[in-house]
Order: sequence, then C-alpha cells, then structure tokens
Amino acid sequence: DQQVKQNSPSLSVQEGRISILNCDYTNSMFDYFLWYKKYPAEGPTFLISISSIKDKNEDGRFTVFLNKSAKHLSLHIVPSQPGDSAVYFCAASGDAGNNRKLIWGLGTSLAVNP
Amino acid sequence: EAQVTQNPRYLITVTGKKLTVTCSQNMNHEYMSWYRQDPGLGLRQIYYSMNVEVTDKGDVPEGYKVSRKEKRNFPLILESPSPNQTSLYFCASTDYYEQYFGPGTRLTVT
Repeated sequence: DQQVKQNSPSLSVQEGRISILNCDYTNSMFDYFLWYKKYPAEGPTFLISISSIKDKNEDGRFTVFLNKSAKHLSLHIVPSQPGDSAVYFCAASGDAGNNRKLIWGLGTSLAVNP
Repeated sequence: EAQVTQNPRYLITVTGKKLTVTCSQNMNHEYMSWYRQDPGLGLRQIYYSMNVEVTDKGDVPEGYKVSRKEKRNFPLILESPSPNQTSLYFCASTDYYEQYFGPGTRLTVT
C-alpha cells in the first residue's frame, strides 16, 4: 500500500504561472518530507525539504507547505519556468529507526509551456 | 564537486552471469543506500549501510548483495541475475535526511 501518494501523474502550466504539486501520506510517524526533481537519464536531485515541526519552508521560487492534520504537503513553484519541466517526487522519512530510507511517491510529471 | 558516481550507466547481461554495479561518493557520508525504480512501483530501497562494515536489508533485498569495506564505496552485487532484476538502479548517500543520488544504472537481464 502506498504510504506516500502523488495523485496527479502529470501537470501542465504556462511559463510565469504558479505550479502546485500535491502529495498525501498515510503514516503519522513520518517526520521529514522532501521534494526531488528528476530529469530523464539523471538521478533524482534534492530540491527542498520540510520538518514536521514546520508548516512552511521557502527557497527562492520553491515553497513547500505541510498540513499535518490533513497529512498533506504541496510544492509551489512561482514563477514556473520551462527549465522546471521534470518529474517531481515527494518523499518521506522517519519511520525506520536508524535506516534513513525514503518512502517515495510515484511522481508528477510537470510540463511548463513557454 | 560533491557527487555520487555509478558504473556502468547501462548494462545488458544474461541470466546467471554475476555482475557488480559500483557506487562511489566524495562527500564523506556515512550512510549509503541502493534503490531500484520500476514503473508503477516507484523507488524502493534494496540495501543500506550506516557505516563501514555495517549493512542491512531494505525492502527488496532478495537476489542482491552489498559490501562496505570503505566509506566512499558501496557496490551492489547480483550473484545470479534474473530477468525480474531488470530495472533502473540508483545509489544514494546522505549525511542525515537529504539523500544525494547517482545518475542511475539501467540494467537489462535477458
């Protein structure tokens, strides 16, 4: 059973507009959440993260929001640029003792159109 | 430049022929792990290592072996590959939460 779900397999937005990527999780033991970006033929690249003690974290054009009561997080990209076109993965950590493994969603493919 | 390297990037092999995928990191991280990525299943952890000589199974360890004789290297060994091990493999290393990934190894077992 998927503990981390990204329900939108794909998203298309216009350049300059906001991209909102969503992620839901089921395990309340998760205490750290991360977003990764992946281009074809490359490994996932860390983008931004948030601890469960926060509800928002910003880094330039990227902001992650966490709603613990709803077990939901979202990634906002403002403004979106064509170079942001990639697959975005949501991942969670914190329920595996010393194993810092990440539990991954299946990804959302973002296309930013010029 | 901080990086995780994997070799080979692409490999086609036959059932039963032992192979090793190498992984090396230059960030002095203690924790390293291997994932495989399959359509519809996402990334799943195969093995992880918390430090030199300390390794443990992840979620899908069957058919794989690892070793960690030195901090920077964490090779993945397939003693007798089978077609169900055809997949995209990623090595990762981390200080704590944010994992840094290699470029991936696409393995095809016929």
